[in-house]
This record gives sequence, C-alpha cells and structure tokens, in this order.
Amino acid sequence: EAQVTQNPRYLITVTGKKLTVTCSQNMNHEYMSWYRQDPGLGLRQIYYSMNVEVTDKGDVPEGYKVSRKEKRNFPLILESPSPNQTSLYFCASSLQRERANIQYFGAGTRLSVL
Amino acid sequence: KQEVTQIPAALSVPEGENLVLNCSFTDSAIYNLQWFRQDPGKGLTSLLLIQSSQREQTSGRLNASLDKSSGRSTLYIAASQPGDSATYLCAVMGSNTGKLIFGQGTTLQVKP
Repeated sequence: EAQVTQNPRYLITVTGKKLTVTCSQNMNHEYMSWYRQDPGLGLRQIYYSMNVEVTDKGDVPEGYKVSRKEKRNFPLILESPSPNQTSLYFCASSLQRERANIQYFGAGTRLSVL
Repeated sequence: KQEVTQIPAALSVPEGENLVLNCSFTDSAIYNLQWFRQDPGKGLTSLLLIQSSQREQTSGRLNASLDKSSGRSTLYIAASQPGDSATYLCAVMGSNTGKLIFGQGTTLQVKP
C-alpha cells in the first residue's frame, strides 16, 4: 500500500531534550516536506526537499533541522525543543515537483514539549 | 510574500445543497493549486490539483476552478452529503520555489 509513515504518532517530551520524528514513503517520491499545524495559524511549511541531498527552508524553519540522505526518508530533528514547538506535525511527499503531482500526507505526529 | 485566504472560515448547510468554497492568493506566479480535505484528527487528502495553465478540474461531485490573473480559486461541491463534513484547505505552490502555502481552511458541516 502506498503511504507516508510518520513515527511516533504521539510524543511528550521536555524542553531541551533532542528528538527526531521520522518520515518514510514507499512511492519513490522525490519531493518531501514537513509542516506544522497550529490553531488559528493553519498549516505552515517547515522544510522541503526536492531530491536527495537537496533541502530548502519553508516559512517556519527556525528550531528545526532536516536531512535527506536517501530518497525514502526525511527525518525532522528538534535539537533543543521548546514549548512553542508544541504542535501537530505532518510529513508529505509527491512524485516530482516539475510534474505537478499531488501531495500525499502522513497521519501526523502530535508533539507536546513541557 | 504569498498569502492564501479562504472564505468563509466555517459553513453549515442542509444536505443536498450545492455550495462554493473560495480561495484567494496574493501572488499570481504559482505553479499549481491544490484542494485538500482534512477530517478531525487526521491527515490531509488531496482532492483536486490544478496546474497554472489549467482553468478547472473535476472529480465526481467536486469541481475546482482557477483564475490565476485574479488570484482566485473556487471549489464547487454538488449535492452535498453529511459525509462531506470536514475542513477544506487550498494550497498554492510557487512557480520559482518548492514552497507550498496553505490557506486556513473552511470547516464545512452538512446537516442531514
């Protein structure tokens, strides 16, 4: 089954404790991205990647890191989480930007930073 | 900076009504526009994608139009059903970047 898989689905952590949210897709997609969703602010893009080893900042990259060492995985790293990073996070992928393909979203990761 | 606005923020209609959701964007230099559906506590599902060179796309009871020059898109839902109740989001991808900018969504309730 074609899908975008995020782990964990729920995470409670404390300020300053490094964490990684994993994202994996099995569709051989080139484009992958991360979003956060907050009440009143909607969905905002954190980082995106057009291909392996190519990453770019979205609208809210501060406090986050990403890497794209292989096509199927695009982990989101919070080196020193803070309470303002408490949010619902989504990973998405699409075949290839130039071909204007639809975005497939993961089920989301709900993160609470205490 | 691209900004995407959706009006109305919420909409409640009786079953069977035809309805229109609106999406506007400030920068007409877009690569494509997508409409998504999000159910409570769930991820997003793509409904329709319109490339910048297209005027509309249709899927079943859904029809999306795009007027790039005026910065507007509409999602038309025919013969609405209670199962259509969800939040609908539009998003635009810039023509020169890979950024995807979302509107804040319209929450639709279709009453039986």
